[in-house]
Amino acid sequence: GAVVSQHPSWVICKSGTSVKIECRSLDFQATTMFWYRQFPKQSLMLMATSNEGSKATYEQGVEKDKFLINHASLTLSTLTVTSAHPEDSSFYICSARIGASPYNEQFFGPGTRLTVL
Amino acid sequence: AQKVTQAQTEISVVEKEDVTLDCVYETRDTTYYLFWYKQPPSGELVFLIRRNSFDEQNEISGRYSWNFQKSTSSFNFTITASQVVDSAVYFCALSEVTSGTYKYIFGTGTRLKVLA
Repeated sequence: GAVVSQHPSWVICKSGTSVKIECRSLDFQATTMFWYRQFPKQSLMLMATSNEGSKATYEQGVEKDKFLINHASLTLSTLTVTSAHPEDSSFYICSARIGASPYNEQFFGPGTRLTVL
Repeated sequence: AQKVTQAQTEISVVEKEDVTLDCVYETRDTTYYLFWYKQPPSGELVFLIRRNSFDEQNEISGRYSWNFQKSTSSFNFTITASQVVDSAVYFCALSEVTSGTYKYIFGTGTRLKVLA
């Protein structure tokens, strides 16, 4: 099946710094990528939908200036958490879908655990 | 509004028992897709199955089977002869056609513990 990678797998940073998380589709081109956030023992919360070459679409309540998303190519999307604070600590998961059909499943990356001290 | 409900927060079974995970959804769309994913302790979601709203055929894959009933808006997942390796959190998800981005709406997940 299709493989999605994320880097880094975990990161610890100081409050006030910015952190960039990369999401790559390794063996396919992804027109659309999604960024999720998951708190411990909770479901995945969609943060934004990222389409290659265009601005990301953010879900209600997600600060676009806080969580910068760039989808510069068909195989790479990045999420930058700017001026991170302890409440931003979470498990961030990206996914990628081949094509636009809703029938196509999303392939998920292994996640990035962010801890802000 | 669209919604996916997984009422079972956590289930514990003894190995070799059968277990059914419930999923009930709400949508106004006539065309939609349903998915099941498994999230083992490592964290990476693994795709299990997809089903479109026009296909109510049940499906069996090895020890896994799925029962889709449009009349009750349910898409339940049964594991037969459970094994310890089945221990994970299982998520049901809905994807609607009219949303444009075809984003997933996830249920809250069911944590399955299979005891040896």
